[in-house]
Amino acid sequence: DTEVTQTPKHLVMGMTNKKSLKCEQHMGHRAMYWYKQKAKKPPELMFVYSYEKLSINESVPSRFSPECPNSSLLNLHLHALQPEDSALYLCASSQDSSGYNEQFFGPGTRLTVL
Amino acid sequence: GQSLEQPSEVTAVEGAIVQINCTYQTSGFYGLSWYQQHDGGAPTFLSYNGLDGLEETGRFSSFLSRSDSYGYLLLQELQMKDSASYFCAVLRKTNAGKSTFGDGTTLTVKP
Repeated sequence: DTEVTQTPKHLVMGMTNKKSLKCEQHMGHRAMYWYKQKAKKPPELMFVYSYEKLSINESVPSRFSPECPNSSLLNLHLHALQPEDSALYLCASSQDSSGYNEQFFGPGTRLTVL
Repeated sequence: GQSLEQPSEVTAVEGAIVQINCTYQTSGFYGLSWYQQHDGGAPTFLSYNGLDGLEETGRFSSFLSRSDSYGYLLLQELQMKDSASYFCAVLRKTNAGKSTFGDGTTLTVKP
């Protein structure tokens, strides 16, 4: 299994809602990532988890809260988002985060904040 | 800080060869990778260069020159399905796991 899955595929939420994005991989990877991508722009790194511990937080607003319940799962909890947070949210995984390892991306969740 | 520069758009015809350049300025450089992303899809890994020289994978090759802070992606025997965005990404020695992506090059392959 060389796939990273993400749910939901699409999400529309109001600014007062609380929702969660989910990501799963069964490749035995020990590093997992959240990226945000706006249209016609490159992916921007948000968070990196290494061995289930948060290792990089790219100064992301606290309305985004990551969680890594185990080595296969990664969640992104959303609360009180703004319309400018509308974007494609990509999850990725790699063997680990030391040195170089190819990142495998999931198909993303397209988020719209009304 | 760090910055990557790549052309915003490239157009070529089927069967041709195209080269997408990437220049970077970064401290603690570890390596350069390339990703392809079709419209509406996820980025997929194409290649990685940790050392100077050419890496070949089928129709795609990637090159790195650390002394020139420069790399390129070479696509041969272009096919219509190669129309996509191509991103170079720098991996730094510090902040292991952190890849910074260039703005991307939109490749359009015409018949």
